[in-house]
Amino acid sequence: NAGVTQTPKFQVLKTGQSMTLQCAQDMNHEYMSWYRQDPGMGLRLIHYSVGAGITDQGEVPNGYNVSRSTTEDFPLRLLSAAPSQTSVYFCASSSRQSGYTFGSGTRLTVV
Amino acid sequence: GENVEQHPSTLSVQEGDSAVIKCTYSDSASNYFPWYKQELGKRPQLIIDIRSNVGEKKDQRIAVTLNKTAKHFSLHITETQPEDSAVYFCAAREVGANNLFFGTGTRLTVIP
Repeated sequence: NAGVTQTPKFQVLKTGQSMTLQCAQDMNHEYMSWYRQDPGMGLRLIHYSVGAGITDQGEVPNGYNVSRSTTEDFPLRLLSAAPSQTSVYFCASSSRQSGYTFGSGTRLTVV
Repeated sequence: GENVEQHPSTLSVQEGDSAVIKCTYSDSASNYFPWYKQELGKRPQLIIDIRSNVGEKKDQRIAVTLNKTAKHFSLHITETQPEDSAVYFCAAREVGANNLFFGTGTRLTVIP
């Protein structure tokens, strides 16, 4: 039981490049979310999913896309990276009865 | 959406003293309030949580209280130890989509 697995752990992108952050969970949780964490701002919700095939926007969705084709996977795509997207990204999953379990995070730098 | 405010942003205490962190939330329908501890470079880890039908919950040196009428909840750490030093986040879960909304964090430093 690996919990929530995020890859990569570190990434440097040039402005305008695109990339996908991977997230997978093996707990059969229906809810999955992506957060970004910036100094002094806590964790802010980017996108979330309440089940396979269902996604919706969170507080700060601009510049990001998600999809949920299976219960296990919830990738986050940066369409055209900007320096403002430099941040630490966390994926999380939960069920109605459980608290959130976070992945280990991806530290992204956009230059 | 839900708005969670957290105070103080930094807190220093002497080892053995108590620490209290306070949060308020805006959506009276929120029904679940977890607290997370995050050490430098690590993921947030759940340390205690409380549901809206309970007023207080304790787990060894950690306790959380909830006042639904005032829409605020607090984390209490007694007999603090240096390993309690970390950033602590409160959160509130909205009804429906199960989303958590976080406070901006409290950096707790326990001075030996």
